[in-house]
Amino acid sequence: DQQVKQNSPSLSVQEGRISILNCDYTNSMFDYFLWYKKYPAEGPTFLISISSIKDKNEDGRFTVFLNKSAKHLSLHIVPSQPGDSAVYFCAASLSGGYQKVTFGIGTKLQVIP
Amino acid sequence: DTGVSQDPRHKITKRGQNVTFRCDPISEHNRLYWYRQTLGQGPEFLTYFQNEAQLEKSRLLSDRFSAERPKGSFSTLEIQRTEQGDSAMYLCASSPGGLAYEQYFGPGTRLTVT
Repeated sequence: DQQVKQNSPSLSVQEGRISILNCDYTNSMFDYFLWYKKYPAEGPTFLISISSIKDKNEDGRFTVFLNKSAKHLSLHIVPSQPGDSAVYFCAASLSGGYQKVTFGIGTKLQVIP
Repeated sequence: DTGVSQDPRHKITKRGQNVTFRCDPISEHNRLYWYRQTLGQGPEFLTYFQNEAQLEKSRLLSDRFSAERPKGSFSTLEIQRTEQGDSAMYLCASSPGGLAYEQYFGPGTRLTVT
């Protein structure tokens, strides 16, 4: 049962353009969402998050949008840089307890110089 | 202390052998998690510690798996009688607790069972 879905396994974008990575979830009880970035041979690195009470959170070149009614979130990277090439994982968490995180399968982003 | 460390980074073992992995979390973090990641998948939750107490185990964690966190510091994950299906990347993460949702991951231990 894949509660967090990333339906695009890969994405290629030209340097300087916008990268949009999408994520859908099925569990309406999720109330906190995170994006992680992973380079080869490294563990995932936290990138940006958003609470379910918000619909947008921005941090520099990275913006996450949340559409609760559609159970959809997206990560926008503007402008894209070659160093952004990595696997991006969408993740979701329930409130309370220890905030167990459920991950999607990831989207591999390639930014072409 | 700049992050979560894991040892070893790579482990090759023969089927049926026991292996043990170590994780050292960020020192002030009281929550520690183990995940398993296979090719083409995201990290899958295995178990969680709050200080030294193991509070949840995934059904993915069979009886051959055991994890400890003595004194609430480092943690070990042991796999007994390894099987080829155990081949994966084993990731450890820690978080400070409270309302912090962000988890900080180590580099992982890649296990290959031949």
